[in-house]
Amino acid sequence: SQTIHQWPATLVQPVGSPLSLECTVEGTSNPNLYWYRQAAGRGLQLLFYSVGIGQISSEVPQNLSASRPQDRQFILSSKKLLLSDSGFYLCAWSVFRANYGYTFGSGTRLTVV
Amino acid sequence: SQQGEEDPQALSIQEGENATMNCSYKTSINNLQWYRQNSGRGLVHLILIRSNEREKHSGRLRVTLDTSKKSSSLLITASRAADTASYFCATDDSGYALNFGKGTSLLVTP
Repeated sequence: SQTIHQWPATLVQPVGSPLSLECTVEGTSNPNLYWYRQAAGRGLQLLFYSVGIGQISSEVPQNLSASRPQDRQFILSSKKLLLSDSGFYLCAWSVFRANYGYTFGSGTRLTVV
Repeated sequence: SQQGEEDPQALSIQEGENATMNCSYKTSINNLQWYRQNSGRGLVHLILIRSNEREKHSGRLRVTLDTSKKSSSLLITASRAADTASYFCATDDSGYALNFGKGTSLLVTP
């Protein structure tokens, strides 16, 4: 069966520090991968999506970046965090684009202080 | 970008009652999906309805889709305290990613 792992679950980082969030998928090949951010009490904002290794599309200009070094690994990074980067970060995967729904990871709660 | 918009933003009902949430969207879609999010957790896919379908059932869930009005509704029958969560609609408009609404927060009290 397919599973998705996202870590860490919570993170408190000072302003200006780097960030690395990792997401891995098991049990499937060539998944579409997504990073979303959810601000408190709000909907999901798409940050990045990837349809293959090394293929990253950005939806929102910001100081975040994403990489896909392996087929089932998706990494969200920042060189210098801002206070506004605080939020709940969710990784998800799907096959055949969205025709069969997304499977989400458990999320990372990031607080920038 | 967000396309779906859920209504109401918050809903409080008692166990055993039915809960109805609505979703409106703006552009043509391939399908519309509903997700549930328990507090502090990831989203869980509940049901997908394609643009050529009008109604779909899954257990206690009933989803309708009216493409002429660009709207959908999610009905949860005989609600339980465990149904307490936020519910999101998401639209697939032929882009590469789903567009999520802001969600409806459902509270089911014993």
